[in-house]
This record gives sequence, C-alpha cells and structure tokens, in this order.
Amino acid sequence: DGGITQSPKYLFRKEGQNVTLSCEQNLNHDAMYWYRQDPGQGLRLIYYSQIVNDFQKGDIAEGYSVSREKKESFPLTVTSAQKNPTAFYLCASTSVGGATDTQYFGPGTRLTVL
Amino acid sequence: AQSVTQLGSHVSVSEGALVLLRCNYSSSVPPYLFWYVQYPNQGLQLLLKYTSAATLVKGINGFEAEFKKSETSFHLTKPSAHMSDAAEYFCAVRTLGGTYKYIFGTGTRLKVLA
Repeated sequence: DGGITQSPKYLFRKEGQNVTLSCEQNLNHDAMYWYRQDPGQGLRLIYYSQIVNDFQKGDIAEGYSVSREKKESFPLTVTSAQKNPTAFYLCASTSVGGATDTQYFGPGTRLTVL
Repeated sequence: AQSVTQLGSHVSVSEGALVLLRCNYSSSVPPYLFWYVQYPNQGLQLLLKYTSAATLVKGINGFEAEFKKSETSFHLTKPSAHMSDAAEYFCAVRTLGGTYKYIFGTGTRLKVLA
C-alpha cells in the first residue's frame, strides 16, 4: 500500500535533548512538508522541500532542522533551541506539476517534553 | 497573501441534522481549495477538493462543498449528521505560483449529539 509513515507515534524528550522524527513516503511524491499542530491553532508549516537536497523554511522554523537526502525521506530534528516543542507533528507529501496536487498526510508523532 | 478563515471553532449538531461548516478564502484569482477531516491523534484525510471543473464538489462520507466566488466561500455541508462525523475539520488553500505551499484554517471541531 502506498502511503506516508511516521515514527515513532509517541516520543518523550527531556529538556536539552535533540530528537529526530522520521517521515517516509512511497508515493513517489516530489514535495514533502512538516507541520506542527497545537490546539486551536491549526497547522503551522515548519519546513518544506520540493526536490531532493533542497528545502525551505516555513513560518515557524526556529529550533528545527531537516534534511532531504532521498526523495522518499524527510526527517525532522527538534533541537534544544526549540523552547516549547510539545505538540503533534504531521508530515505530508504531494506530487508537483498537476492542477491541484492534493497533500497526503502521515499519522503524526506526538512529542512531549518532560 | 492568501488565507482561509473558518468561522466557529466548535459546532454542535444533533444526529440527523444538517451539518454546515464555514470557510472563507482570500485570493485574487480562483484558488485551489480543500477540506480535510482529522480524528483524534490521527493525520488529516482528504474529504474533497475544488478543481474548478464544477462549483459543487462531492466528497467522501456524504460531504459536499460549494465554491461561491462572489462570496469567496467554500462551505462544507452534509444533509444528515452521523455520530461518526464527530471530528475536526480543516479548510485549506494551495498557494499560487511555483511554490507548493498550503495554508490551513484553524479548524472546526464538530460534535454530534445523540
């Protein structure tokens, strides 16, 4: 089955630690995205990438980093510089070049800072 | 800049009643519009999308939305609510031009009363 997988589903971090969230897709999509979701705030874009080895900051990139070494993978690192990292993180992907290009989402990772 | 506004962060309806979730967009040209549904602790699932082929768009689970350019609206409706419709709903617009970014509303949580 084609889709997007995120791991782990739940992640606990101590203050001062960096953690990496995994996102893999087998949809052959060009573009991948990371969003942060907090109650009542909708989805806020952290980073996105439209091609391998290239990515752009979204609206709330501070304290996060990404890489795009392979088309199917787009890991997100939450660094110790992120002051309030507890949130639900969603990865998404879409093809590029069509008329509307729907975004497809993974199941999410819930990060809690202890 | 493009944006979407969802009126009403919480909506309650009785089982069997009409569901109406509101979404207004700002765009100088016809946008690409989407409605997604999210169940607790899950990713977003596409309900329907506006492709400019027809102003009335039918989606999954009996939902539909009508694109009204004069009102800059894309409201989501369902004639008869079911208990399983209880979830959070997001309206989204894809940005125009070569950058494949998506802007989401803040969401509407639908509660269905027995």
